[in-house]
Amino acid sequence: AQSVTQPDIHITVSEGASLELRCNYSYGATPYLFWYVQSPGQGLQLLLKYFSGDTLVQGIKGFEAEFKRSQSSFNLRKPSVHWSDAAEYFCAVTYSGYSTLTFGKGTMLLVSP
Amino acid sequence: NAGVTQTPKFRVLKTGQSMTLLCAQDMNHEYMYWYRQDPGMGLRLIHYSVGEGTTAKGEVPDGYNVSRLKKQNFLLGLESAAPSQTSVYFCASTDRIVGGYTFGSGTRLTVV
Repeated sequence: AQSVTQPDIHITVSEGASLELRCNYSYGATPYLFWYVQSPGQGLQLLLKYFSGDTLVQGIKGFEAEFKRSQSSFNLRKPSVHWSDAAEYFCAVTYSGYSTLTFGKGTMLLVSP
Repeated sequence: NAGVTQTPKFRVLKTGQSMTLLCAQDMNHEYMYWYRQDPGMGLRLIHYSVGEGTTAKGEVPDGYNVSRLKKQNFLLGLESAAPSQTSVYFCASTDRIVGGYTFGSGTRLTVV
């Protein structure tokens, strides 16, 4: 069964510092991977997605993610975090032939001044 | 373009009461989903639909029923609400799984 692990429940980053949020998926086939962001009281917004091609994908709001098959990972990065990036981030996975996404439990990002 | 609209946004129910949550999308999407979000649990799939007139169970379907009589609408019903169903409910839709979902803004349900 498809599953996603986000090892960090909370992460605190200073404003202006770089950010990396971890995501690991299980399963042997080629995954389709997604990162979503959820601001407090809001729905989820798609940041970026990977399904083939270049393993480094660019998203909205200055985020990027790198697919590493050897590590079963799809980590989210941002070079310089802004206070408005404070939110909860969800990684999700699906595979060819599936009709649903499976989400990780989320990582809450806190941004300190 | 409204996207995915959920009604109501907030609701308080007494144990044993019933209610229906409505999800409407105006993007002509085939696939629609209901998830619940609880602290520390992420999003868990309740039911989903791959087209008008179809429904399927997800990870946590017990206590819920769904209907997709029209392509644009996906209804989630609670026949006899329980405190364990206190949660935030999200509807989502898509036309291609590989494109990801579009989410609604959620319904916060409290069962007392």
